[in-house]
Amino acid sequence: GQSLEQPSEVTAVEGAIVQINCTYQTSGFYGLSWYQQHDGGAPTFLSYNALDGLEETGRFSSFLSRSDSYGYLLLQELQMKDSASYFCAVRKGRRALTFGSGTRLQVQP
Amino acid sequence: EAGVVQSPRYKIIEKKQPVAFWCNPISGHNTLYWYRQNLGQGPELLIRYENEEAVDDSQLPKDRFSAERLKGVDSTLKIQPAELGDSAVYLCASGTDYGYTFGSGTRLTVV
Repeated sequence: GQSLEQPSEVTAVEGAIVQINCTYQTSGFYGLSWYQQHDGGAPTFLSYNALDGLEETGRFSSFLSRSDSYGYLLLQELQMKDSASYFCAVRKGRRALTFGSGTRLQVQP
Repeated sequence: EAGVVQSPRYKIIEKKQPVAFWCNPISGHNTLYWYRQNLGQGPELLIRYENEEAVDDSQLPKDRFSAERLKGVDSTLKIQPAELGDSAVYLCASGTDYGYTFGSGTRLTVV
């Protein structure tokens, strides 16, 4: 089977940097994705890592260590609009993504 | 271009009644997914289609759930009869192995 672990909640202040960790256990691992979901909204794609290292897209970066079965999403210069739930998801071969339970990020002024 | 379109946006039904959800994926996307999301949880796969073929329906409760994707374009997910535990958001997505685009979902409440 597959399992993913991520913190249930994270709180940070506007302008700060926050890191959301994700550890996974799965065979046949292909890659790790991150999605953002605002309350009442649809999950939206943020990033995908297939290889070890850091991928940067604007204020958001995502990191993967395949040997440690670990990844994280880094959000810089936090803004109030970043308050949302963030999901990591593993890709196993051609199978559909398996999502974690999500991390609720609350950005405070 | 239009994103993934789902309807209805909200649905309230009594238990034991049937319900259907409709999804139109992004044009040209051969792969379509139906996920269910319970409050405070991540999406859980119900079924995956490659064109009109259901290639992964292992998590679809087949005693009451059914799905179809005629002509490999839009798709319908049906529940009959609905149970209280089916209350959730039903999400449709299309895309590649690397990134999905989700629709706005159908929020189902069974009373």
